[in-house]
Amino acid sequence: EDQVTQSPEALRLQEGESSSLNCSYTVSGLRGLFWYRQDPGKGPEFLFTLYSAGEEKEKERLKATLTKKESFLHITAPKPEDSATYLCAVQGSGGSNYKLTFGKGTLLTVNP
Amino acid sequence: DTGVSQNPRHKITKRGQNVTFRCDPISEHNRLYWYRQTLGQGPEFLTYFQNEAQLEKSRLLSDRFSAERPKGSFSTLEIQRTEQGDSAMYLCASSSSGADYGYTFGSGTRLTVV
Repeated sequence: EDQVTQSPEALRLQEGESSSLNCSYTVSGLRGLFWYRQDPGKGPEFLFTLYSAGEEKEKERLKATLTKKESFLHITAPKPEDSATYLCAVQGSGGSNYKLTFGKGTLLTVNP
Repeated sequence: DTGVSQNPRHKITKRGQNVTFRCDPISEHNRLYWYRQTLGQGPEFLTYFQNEAQLEKSRLLSDRFSAERPKGSFSTLEIQRTEQGDSAMYLCASSSSGADYGYTFGSGTRLTVV
């Protein structure tokens, strides 16, 4: 069974203080690893898909990287509007290859 | 493209009542998914449709839950004889085959069973 563990559960940063969120996973054949952002009371908003170890993708202050066992979401010089829950999910090739398995998320708070 | 639309946004119901939620996916998406999310947890898979065919149901989906997608367009999720444990956010998502952007989620329906 696919599993995703995210750490830390919560992270509080000062504006401009860069940091990283971790997503460790076990999956039978990785089809894709996804990062989503979720604001309170809303559905997850797609950020990135990573497919293979060594791949990196960037969007504004966010950069996602992937190894064979984990993914990192690096946040450079965050702003208060980056405050949200960041969810990691994997899609495996065994059995249900369209289903996403999510972690519990990291609640990021950026103080001005 | 107006995104994935879910109605209602909020539903409060008494234990034992039946409730139905609606999801309108992005029109060109042939795949539709239902997930459930409780406080402090990530979304959990419930069921998946490709066009009008329901191809998989999670064991989380008890006999009290039923989902339909007539004509491969909108979908409904019905919960019969609601229980307090059914209180959660019910999320609908859609995608097209081979998309490199994961799913597009709706804003969800928040169900509270009192």
